Formats: sequence, structure tokens, C-alpha cells
Amino acid sequence: SQTIHQWPATLVQPVGSPLSLECTVEGTSNPNLYWYRQAAGRGLQLLFYSVGIGQISSEVPQNLSASRPQDRQFILSSKKLLLSDSGFYLCAWTRPAGDDEQYFGPGTRLTVT
Amino acid sequence: AQSVTQLGSHVSVSEGALVLLRCNYSSSVPPYLFWYVQYPNQGLQLLLKYTTGATLVKGINGFEAEFKKSETSFHLTKPSAHMSDAAEYFCAVNAGGSYIPTFGRGTSLIVHP
Repeated sequence: SQTIHQWPATLVQPVGSPLSLECTVEGTSNPNLYWYRQAAGRGLQLLFYSVGIGQISSEVPQNLSASRPQDRQFILSSKKLLLSDSGFYLCAWTRPAGDDEQYFGPGTRLTVT
Repeated sequence: AQSVTQLGSHVSVSEGALVLLRCNYSSSVPPYLFWYVQYPNQGLQLLLKYTTGATLVKGINGFEAEFKKSETSFHLTKPSAHMSDAAEYFCAVNAGGSYIPTFGRGTSLIVHP
């Protein structure tokens, strides 16, 4: 069966510090991968998605970047965090066709102080 | 182009009462439609989905939804609410083989004893 992991589960970082969140998927090949952010009391905002190794599409210009160094690994990064980067970050995957259901990870709660 | 509107950011019901969460969509091609549930500090999980075929779809935890093309709706229902149903519910649409689903802003279901 397929599983998706995210770490860390919670993170408190000062403004201006770097960020690295990692997501890995097991039990499937060539998944489409996604990063979302949820601000408090708001819906899902798609940040990045990837349909293959090294292929990253950005949906919203911002302080963050993403990379996909391996087929089932997706990393969200920032060189300098802003207060507005606080939120709940979710990684998700779909089968290669893309138009099927999304499978979400457990999320990372990021607080920038 | 595709879009989703969830009517009501909060819905409050008594335990044992009918649950009705509304979702209307817009799509230029036949859509795939989804309902997801999110419990506090967790990722989203699929409740049910409609792709093709039978328009009444049954999901987990006693929920069901009916695809009504003429009304462009995909409302979520459950005959009798349980306290454990209290959560955030998201409707989503994906159409035309798109890699990017569109999510509604979510409806918070509150269940009173």
C-alpha cells in the first residue's frame, strides 16, 4: 500500500531563518506531487506541483521554492522566512494521470516568530 | 476553466440531525468531483468521489453525495450526525485531465450534543 510521510510535524522558526520541509511517498512510482499551505481559518492554497523529477511548477510567486531530487521526494524550502509564511503545510500526491483523488500527508505546522 | 463554491463557511447541527453541506461547481468539461474531510491538525482524507456512472455516490462514515448535472451541484449529506463528524469539509473539482484540482474554501461542521 502507499504511504506519504512529512517531517517535521511541528516547527518554530525565527524570522529570517531558512526552512526545509520534506515529503516522501512510498509504494508508488512516478507520482504527481503537490505542496499546499493553509493559513489559520482559510482554505488550501496550492504552492507548487511536480509531474516528474526536476519538474516544478509554481502557482504563487512568494518567498518559497520547491525541489524534487528523487521520484518520490518533494522538498519545500526558503532562504529567509517571513512572518506570513506561518501556516499548516500539506504535501499530497496523485497517480500519474493527475485527475484522480489526492492523497495527503499529515502536515507540518510552521510558526514563524 | 473550473471552480467550486461551498455555501456556508460554518454549518451547525444537533447530534442525530441531517447533515447537508452544499457544493456547486463550474466546469467546461465533464468533471470529477470529490469531498474531503479534515480533522484538526491532520491532512485531508477522501470521503467520496464521483467520476462517471451512478450519480449517487456513497462514501465512508455514512456520507453520500449526488451529482446533479442540471444544477451543477454535488451536495454532501448524512442522515444522522455524530459528534465525531465535527470537522472541516472540502469539495473539489478536477476536469479535463488537469493536474490541478480546484478546492472550495471549506465548510466547518459543528455538531451540538
